[in-house]
Amino acid sequence: GAGVSQSPSNKVTEKGKDVELRCDPISGHTALYWYRQRLGQGLEFLIYFQGNSAPDKSGLPSDRFSAERTGESVSTLTIQRTQQEDSAVYLCASSIQGAGYPYEQYFGPGTRLTVT
Amino acid sequence: LAKTTQPISMDSYEGQEVNITCSHNNIATNDYITWYQQFPSQGPRFIIQGYKTKVTNEVASLFIPADRKSSTLSLPRVSLSDTAVYYCLVASVSGGSYIPTFGRGTSLIVHP
Repeated sequence: GAGVSQSPSNKVTEKGKDVELRCDPISGHTALYWYRQRLGQGLEFLIYFQGNSAPDKSGLPSDRFSAERTGESVSTLTIQRTQQEDSAVYLCASSIQGAGYPYEQYFGPGTRLTVT
Repeated sequence: LAKTTQPISMDSYEGQEVNITCSHNNIATNDYITWYQQFPSQGPRFIIQGYKTKVTNEVASLFIPADRKSSTLSLPRVSLSDTAVYYCLVASVSGGSYIPTFGRGTSLIVHP
């Protein structure tokens, strides 16, 4: 079946502009995650959705970052007034939600964001 | 969240067995140990997960001692295509949420 898809695959934007990144999770996966990965670094957790609600937004680096999810499906990550330090690959992952058992996360290919 | 420590990099040669050890001294009772693999320009991919003792699948084995304060990912007979970054995660489901922490991982380079 189809995996996690993300769009766009690459985005170049000017400093100060807003960007929207999209994630389409695997159908039926109720858990959805956004991560940021800077060049040569590990993954930095941004936000987690359980269904359409976000019980953990602790990883969002500033109030310029926001995310929403609708219909327990597609999610968008919005970055307002982009800064050069926002340049990174933004990864989305989805998984089955289990009671007490951590199911594997399926990752999308990522969106490479470059802020000039 | 339990903190993990793993080597930054490792080198190996084709056909050798590679063992990557991860330390997690403050692992909690409900924590699971999970390993992911990431190739350049791709998202991470699940390799293996365990709670205690030994787990084996078609690509790797995971060894977890009785005290669970460390774990070892074993890759048998590596090939050049196993060159990747390997992440050790330790986390549990809490209140219905599972939010593991990815550190910097171990960069494995397999040489011909």
